[in-house]
Formats: sequence, structure tokens, C-alpha cells
Amino acid sequence: AQTVTQSQPEMSVQEAETVTLSCTYDTSENNYYLFWYKQPPSRQMILVIRQEAYKQQNATENRFSVNFQKAAKSFSLKISDSQLGDTAMYFCAFMTANGGSQGNLIFGKGTKLSVKP
Amino acid sequence: AAGVIQSPRHLIKEKRETATLKCYPIPRHDTVYWYQQGPGQDPQFLISFYEKMQSDKGSIPDRFSAQQFSDYHSELNMSSLELGDSALYFCASSLNGLGQNEKLFFGSGTQLSVL
Repeated sequence: AQTVTQSQPEMSVQEAETVTLSCTYDTSENNYYLFWYKQPPSRQMILVIRQEAYKQQNATENRFSVNFQKAAKSFSLKISDSQLGDTAMYFCAFMTANGGSQGNLIFGKGTKLSVKP
Repeated sequence: AAGVIQSPRHLIKEKRETATLKCYPIPRHDTVYWYQQGPGQDPQFLISFYEKMQSDKGSIPDRFSAQQFSDYHSELNMSSLELGDSALYFCASSLNGLGQNEKLFFGSGTQLSVL
């Protein structure tokens, strides 16, 4: 069974600085997707970034980038130039790309990020 | 851009009552997923549908059922509600399962409180 581990329950960062959130996962699958979702106090679940396992290039979305290390099964999220609006719970999630289990997103326990002015 | 629409936003029920949650996916999306997020917990997958057929099943109690209709909207029916069913219920949608470059988008959720 697949598992997702986020070892940092809480983190804080000063506005405009850079922060990295850690995520490791365990799977025997070769094809899969990895995601970072942001959940602000409104509890809306917002997609931050997505990575396909077959792609060696790390995904980037504006101030958000990932460091995907497939062999190490690591998928960290780097937030550059942190903004107050980045304050939220961040969930790392895994989904197999093999048919039959699509949609079964497996989430980590989350990291609560606080951006301080 | 249109997003995933869930209704109602909030729902209060008493134990043993029934509840129906509705989800309207993003236009053209044919796949719907349901998740349950308890207080302070990570979301747990319940069930998914692709082209109106159940495609995967997670930790959904037997008291719950769901279906996807011809217009691709989905409903989650919950019967004999228990206090432990109090949670935020998310619906998400995607196009053609989760094909290349496709993404899974969540609605704002329905907060169910069982008293």
C-alpha cells in the first residue's frame, strides 16, 4: 500500500523568505502522480503543483517549485518570496497512474505553514 | 473559469437522519471523486465515478451511496447518520480520469454537522 509522510507538522517563515516543505512517499508503482495542495483557513482545497513520475524535470508554478527525487521517493515543495497569503495547511498527495485506482488520492497528514510579517 | 460546485455549503442533521450532498463538476469533466475530511485530519477518499460508472471505491461506509448522473453531476447519499460522520465532504472533478496534463480540482466542500 502507498503511504505519504510529511514529517513537519508546523513551520513558519518570514515574509519574502524561502521555505521548503518535505514529503516522502512509499510505493512499488513506477507510474504515478504527485501533488501539493494548499488548504487555507477557508478550507478550500487548492491545487498548487503537480508532478508526473515519468518526468525528470521538476515542476514549477511561479513562486512554487518542487524537488522530485524518484529514487529517494522524495517530493519537497519550495515556496520562494513567501507571502502572507501563503499561510495555509499544505498537503502532499500521491495517486497511482495505473488504471483502476485513479482518483484515489492518498494524502499526507499536512504541514501547517505560517508566514509572518 | 467555472469551478466544481458543491451544495449545500453547510448542512446540519441529527443522528439517524439522512443527507444528500450534490456535486457539479467543471464543464466537460467526466470524472467525479468524493473525499471526507474530519476535523484536523487529511482527506480520505470515498468513491469515484467515470462516465457515470463507479470507477474506484475507498473507505466509504455501507450507509453511504453515490451515483453520477447523465449530466455528470454526482450525489452522495448518507443514511443513518452518526456523530462521527461530521466532516467536510469534498467533491473533485477531472477529465477522462486523470490523463496526461490533466488536473484534479476540488470544490469548496460541504460541511456536515451531525448533532
